[in-house]
Amino acid sequence: GQQVMQIPQYQHVQEGEDFTTYCNSSTTLSNIQWYKQRPGGHPVFLIQLVKSGEVKKQKRLTFQFGEAKKNSSLHITATQTTDVGTYFCFSGNTPLVFGKGTRLSVIA
Amino acid sequence: DTGVSQDPRHKITKRGQNVTFRCDPISEHNRLYWYRQTLGQGPEFLTYFQNEAQLEKSRLLSDRFSAERPKGSFSTLEIQRTEQGDSAMYLCASSASSGNTIYFGEGSWLTVV
Repeated sequence: GQQVMQIPQYQHVQEGEDFTTYCNSSTTLSNIQWYKQRPGGHPVFLIQLVKSGEVKKQKRLTFQFGEAKKNSSLHITATQTTDVGTYFCFSGNTPLVFGKGTRLSVIA
Repeated sequence: DTGVSQDPRHKITKRGQNVTFRCDPISEHNRLYWYRQTLGQGPEFLTYFQNEAQLEKSRLLSDRFSAERPKGSFSTLEIQRTEQGDSAMYLCASSASSGNTIYFGEGSWLTVV
């Protein structure tokens, strides 16, 4: 099945700095979903992107789906301590495999 | 609450004992997934169901693991003869159909001592 690779694996930022995580696939994705998992918690759905070049915003979070539908990014503006957690992406058509995600630490 | 619910939330068992976890998906969701997650890792897929049919089970970790969804509603995941390496969080998720959003339960934490 399709697999997506996510980078970076870890990111430490100062509170107020921006943060970006990337998902890359070697094959075209029908859609991509983003999840956030807080330490000790379970993955929580954030958003789904379906269209080529799609951009969606949720407050300080901006999600993009590449024109070729092979990559996606999540950008957080002015991180806060509440953004701490691991961010996962995967293709909704192959819910078999998650990557390791990007673990975000925010230093106050 | 109409989310995915899992029971028990925490289980401590002695090595060699059998454990069973239950998952109640969101109603009307016909797909149900089981994942395992250990510290620092992403969710590891185990198996999934479309209604009562188990469509993928080759990734179950060993023959000690089995899952059922007899009536196409709730599901159970059983681990027989538990080992310390089975200690993990077992996550259940459901979705309406392939490609739709997957919603996770809060997980069942297993500790094998």
